[in-house]
Amino acid sequence: EVQLVESGGGSVQPGGSLRLTCAASGFTFSSYEMNWVRQAPGKGLEWISYISSSGSTIYYADSVKGRFTISRDNAKHSLYLQMNSLRAEDTAVYYCAREAKAEGFDYWGQGTLVTVSS
Amino acid sequence: SYELTQPPSVSVSPGQTARITCSGDALPKKYAYWYQQKSGQAPVLVIYEDTKRPSGIPERFSGSSSGTMATLTISGAQVEDEADYYCYSTDSSGNHRRVFGGGTKLTVL
Repeated sequence: EVQLVESGGGSVQPGGSLRLTCAASGFTFSSYEMNWVRQAPGKGLEWISYISSSGSTIYYADSVKGRFTISRDNAKHSLYLQMNSLRAEDTAVYYCAREAKAEGFDYWGQGTLVTVSS
Repeated sequence: SYELTQPPSVSVSPGQTARITCSGDALPKKYAYWYQQKSGQAPVLVIYEDTKRPSGIPERFSGSSSGTMATLTISGAQVEDEADYYCYSTDSSGNHRRVFGGGTKLTVL
């Protein structure tokens, strides 16, 4: 069974940092592209970052470029999101999502809440 | 930046057909995907590559695409289909950005 479990969320002050982790199981992690998607309270889904299966290709949404860094460790079956210079508008539930070639984002984690507030 | 446009809300009675549209300039070249999100839950894929249905998704869910518009159709909508629905696609300009529509709240009552 495919499972994606996010962790690392919490409360942080503006300007602070957090590192999110997505632990993957039930599939060959190194064969799949991965993404982070977030959802602010009461708002829609926002794609924020992509990483290829090898980690060699990375894309970011303009809203997080230069502040967030996506990475992965295929040996540990884990995806990461390092978030620096956090702002109030980064407050959201952060989901990791597996990307299949045909099916797109076919599996999602349950999300981890990040709250940026003074 | 690339945008996908959905109506904020659609309302139908149980058993009626619900249609949710998604418009985007790149849709003639790029596939549309549809996700269902019930309150407090993670999104679930219901349609991929414009028209394909993942295993486990009821047959009443179908997708179509023509020109710059993709459509999710729920034939004979059930009360349990009440949820937010998001279309998703990619930009065709070469920047590889992934984009979600703003979401449509489907009410079945």
